[in-house]
Amino acid sequence: AQSVTQLGSHVSVSEGALVLLRCNYSSSVPPYLFWYVQYPNQGLQLLLKYTSAATLVKGINGFEAEFKKSETSFHLTKPSAHMRDAAEYFCAVSDSNYQLIWGAGTKLIIKP
Amino acid sequence: DTEVTQTPKHLVMGMTNKKSLKCEQHMGHRAMYWYKQKAKKPPELMFVYSYEKLSINESVPSRFSPECPNSSLLNLHLHALQPEDSALYLCASSQGLAGVEQFFGPGTRLTVL
Repeated sequence: AQSVTQLGSHVSVSEGALVLLRCNYSSSVPPYLFWYVQYPNQGLQLLLKYTSAATLVKGINGFEAEFKKSETSFHLTKPSAHMRDAAEYFCAVSDSNYQLIWGAGTKLIIKP
Repeated sequence: DTEVTQTPKHLVMGMTNKKSLKCEQHMGHRAMYWYKQKAKKPPELMFVYSYEKLSINESVPSRFSPECPNSSLLNLHLHALQPEDSALYLCASSQGLAGVEQFFGPGTRLTVL
């Protein structure tokens, strides 16, 4: 069965610093992988997705993620954090029934 | 139009009330979803409609009743809810089911007294 693990329920970085949010998955089929962001009191917005094309995926708001099959990882990065990046980030994998299996989420805290 | 809209934004209801949540999309998507999200948790899938037919019901109690009147609309009828049903209810849509992204609405914040 597919599963997603997000390491760190909270990640705190200083404004301008590198953001790294970790996501590891298990999947018995070639995975479709997604990163979503949720700002307080809002719905989820797609940041980026991996669908077996390029392994380095660029998304919105300066985020990108690299698919590493050997490590079963799909970590999310951003070179320079902004205050507006403070939010909850969810990694998800599409299972064999094409439903999304979600990670527990990582809250990104930006220190001024 | 790349938006999923949901009404109402907030809803407070008693345990004996009947209410409905509404969701609408005009992206031509043929799959629509209801999720329940508790605070600090990921969304939990409740129902999936594909081509206006219910394709997945994740063992949701019968006090939640989904309806898909047409390809653009999705309703969730609520009756005799419990306080533990208080949550953010999210609607989503996607072009199909296979490995495509889901577009989420802003959600309805439901409080059951």
